[in-house]
Amino acid sequence: NAGVTQTPKFQVLKTGQSMTLQCAQDMNHEYMSWYRQDPGMGLRLIHYSVGAGITDQGEVPNGYNVSRSTTEDFPLRLLSAAPSQTSVYFCASARSENEKLFFGSGTQLSVL
Amino acid sequence: AQKITQTQPGMFVQEKEAVTLDCTYDTSDQSYGLFWYKQPSSGEMIFLIYQGSYDEQNATEGRYSLNFQKARKSANLVISASQLGDSAMYFCAMREGGTPAAGNKLTFGGGTRVLVKP
Repeated sequence: NAGVTQTPKFQVLKTGQSMTLQCAQDMNHEYMSWYRQDPGMGLRLIHYSVGAGITDQGEVPNGYNVSRSTTEDFPLRLLSAAPSQTSVYFCASARSENEKLFFGSGTQLSVL
Repeated sequence: AQKITQTQPGMFVQEKEAVTLDCTYDTSDQSYGLFWYKQPSSGEMIFLIYQGSYDEQNATEGRYSLNFQKARKSANLVISASQLGDSAMYFCAMREGGTPAAGNKLTFGGGTRVLVKP
């Protein structure tokens, strides 16, 4: 059972570079979201989606874009990487608004 | 004001003893949900337990129970009979609103690090 799959697991970028973090789930979940976790802190919501074609901003959306063209995939794009975006990124999915989130294993991103 | 507050940054617990992790929350919504997640040193997020605001009974899942005191806006996690494998960060999180359009957005607390001593 794959669950929520994130790629890559590690990434190093230079300031100003762009990249896409991939997230896919095979559970047919409508709800997907991206969080970032800075050292010693809890997770903060970047963007979320309640279904294909529907996305919205979370608490810390600046510098990130998302799209949801299919139920399965929810990529996160960093437009122009900055050192402040150095963090661990988690993708998550859920079947409904009242059920637990299933998390991917995370992507550790360093921006130099 | 913080929406989720975990006042214990770290704590030690003796193996086989029970431990209570504190969580207080702030919301004006009538419909909300409270979650606890465990994050071991390997980094993954593991769901432990869920309590809905309208649930009358405190949630239990194996060795985990949630002491839900709605009037005090607290949702403390109790781990009974601690094991060495319980050493991890523990996060309390809240989902506000009960409509599909609100999504499944969680606000997390800062976490409590638990170290179980043999």
